[in-house]
Amino acid sequence: QKEVEQDPGPLSVPEGAIVSLNCTYSNSAFQYFMWYRQYSRKGPELLMYTYSSGNKEDGRFTAQVDKSSKYISLFIRDSQPSDSATYLCGSGSARQLTFGSGTQLTVLP
Amino acid sequence: EAGVTQFPSHSVIEKGQTVTLRCDPISGHDNLYWYRRVMGKEIKFLLHFVKESKQDESGMPNNRFLAERTGGTYSTLKVQPAELEDSGVYFCASSLGGQGDTEAFFGQGTRLTVV
Repeated sequence: QKEVEQDPGPLSVPEGAIVSLNCTYSNSAFQYFMWYRQYSRKGPELLMYTYSSGNKEDGRFTAQVDKSSKYISLFIRDSQPSDSATYLCGSGSARQLTFGSGTQLTVLP
Repeated sequence: EAGVTQFPSHSVIEKGQTVTLRCDPISGHDNLYWYRRVMGKEIKFLLHFVKESKQDESGMPNNRFLAERTGGTYSTLKVQPAELEDSGVYFCASSLGGQGDTEAFFGQGTRLTVV
């Protein structure tokens, strides 16, 4: 079983839609959770980071962690074509990240 | 400020040959990591340097892979001899270190194709 499971998509939405991206994880020891965004032919860049359970909001992005169900979510409000990328959920610290396989998102103008 | 830089961006080699990938971390970052993504799989951790020392190499797949970071600056990852299954994208990342070190900055990756 993978430690972090993520629906690979692809996911296509119209501009302005609310996007929900989800992951599950299996390792109860995970404490740090993050979302990375990866544009084509680029390396992943940190988008959001949360510690333990709860919500974290940053502009149009909200990250949510529910440790009781081992569920990680990222919500994007008012999605823009520039949000088109692969979104990677993950856990761990900078010292060793465990990633999901990534969800490819396309926001259509 | 320059980000993490990787060379080359793309390499095509024949099975059995040797390839060396290079990573220049962000200046001042003590921590350097190698990750790779093989076709259809998730990005997986390979190893972690703190300065010139290997802190964790639990993700290295086998002894055909050798990573070095002489002087604690840039790092190289050598694959010798390369096999078909080594094809994928190799990412290098670096972080500042210290307590609460959470953000790793990634390079653009080296796409390795073994034919």
